[in-house]
Amino acid sequence: NAGVTQTPKFRILKIGQSMTLQCTQDMNHNYMYWYRQDPGMGLKLIYYSVGAGITDKGEVPNGYNVSRSTTEDFPLRLELAAPSQTSVYFCASLQRRFNTDTQYFGPGTRLTVL
Amino acid sequence: RKEVEQDPGPFNVPEGATVAFNCTYSNSASQSFFWYRQDCRKEPKLLMSVYSSGNEDGRFTAQLNRASQYISLLIRDSKLSDSATYLCVVNIPTGNQFYFGTGTSLTVIP
Repeated sequence: NAGVTQTPKFRILKIGQSMTLQCTQDMNHNYMYWYRQDPGMGLKLIYYSVGAGITDKGEVPNGYNVSRSTTEDFPLRLELAAPSQTSVYFCASLQRRFNTDTQYFGPGTRLTVL
Repeated sequence: RKEVEQDPGPFNVPEGATVAFNCTYSNSASQSFFWYRQDCRKEPKLLMSVYSSGNEDGRFTAQLNRASQYISLLIRDSKLSDSATYLCVVNIPTGNQFYFGTGTSLTVIP
């Protein structure tokens, strides 16, 4: 299993540009998440999905959009990039078991908006 | 008020020392609790879940105090490889969202 994969690993955008961060998991998990992590800070939830066709906003959704057409893929769209969106973006999928939940994270996408 | 708060540290301890981290959470109805480890410029990875009765995994012990709304992580016999940032994570009552603390930085010194 590859687990959770994210592309690209690094990206530099100009203000006002748009891009899609890709996230794919091969563990057949229903729950998937997008987080951003600013330097020295914890992870903040942007959007999440409990299954194909279902998405919901997290703590910091403004400036982002998501879709979930398949169980495997959960892309994050940035429209009109702003410097405040410079961050590291992590995608995660969730394994739910009786006595614990485990989030598996991708390696992250480091985005700089100039 | 933040959902989860941690002392950011840094904690610098010698090899073999015992070190403890605490974390407080604001929502008394929070359901489940975790400690994640994050190495520099890497993704977080689950270290251990925290159960109501407390639990141990080798040199790591996690405790939950629901009355005071805090979680702790104790690391005994610290190793150089324990150097990382430790993130406290709380699952809110709806069960679908997780809140992360800002992390506590640990450096184990030879």
